[in-house]
Amino acid sequence: SYELTQPPSVSVSPGQTARITCSGDALPKKYPYWYQQKSGQAPVLVIYEDSKRPSGIPERFSGSSSGTMATLTISGAQVEDEADYYCYSTDSSGNHWVFGGGTKLTVL
Amino acid sequence: QVQLQESGPGLVKPSQTLSLTCTVSGGSISSGGYYWSWIRQHPGKGLEWIGYIYYSGSTYYNPSLKSRVTISVDTSKNQFSLKLSSVTAADTAVYYCARVFLLQPGLFDYWGQGTLVTVSS
Repeated sequence: SYELTQPPSVSVSPGQTARITCSGDALPKKYPYWYQQKSGQAPVLVIYEDSKRPSGIPERFSGSSSGTMATLTISGAQVEDEADYYCYSTDSSGNHWVFGGGTKLTVL
Repeated sequence: QVQLQESGPGLVKPSQTLSLTCTVSGGSISSGGYYWSWIRQHPGKGLEWIGYIYYSGSTYYNPSLKSRVTISVDTSKNQFSLKLSSVTAADTAVYYCARVFLLQPGLFDYWGQGTLVTVSS
């Protein structure tokens, strides 16, 4: 079955840049989507189609892709950005979707 | 404003069938343009896509759950449902329903609050 691989954790100090990666064989052809989930809450979309940002998401959130790896970048991370982040995409068929294992971002 | 609300038993016995319903308000399931989805999250773990359904009844399921999962839609009640058969403790999770764009199937824009289902005798 298809898998997306993320690092379990990333830690930065406030104001630093946090980068969270997601690797998957189909990413060169299939868009990644990024979700933020804070404790006890439903996930929230922060980046879609590689690098687009929904309205209401701060400009410090950006996305990029290169080959089989997608990256979520938080420039000048804030304490309120502490959360779990998940990439989400589909296999080459486009019919089977999968979340990455999630990355816990710590900002302290 | 679209709202989704999960409902169903919070406790299911092993080997039985888990049944949940998602009621949609503020928008019509049959208006098209969206898939309706179930996602679950095991306690302290990551998210797992269960499947999608379109208002016409077309479905897509997670291959790892496909043999046990049925997602159905009732447009007259503006609801869609999840049935998961032969449950074990490994199916204990928070179950979310969500709306996802038809043309961007990775884009969930509205989620329910989630409901915890525990599988235990």
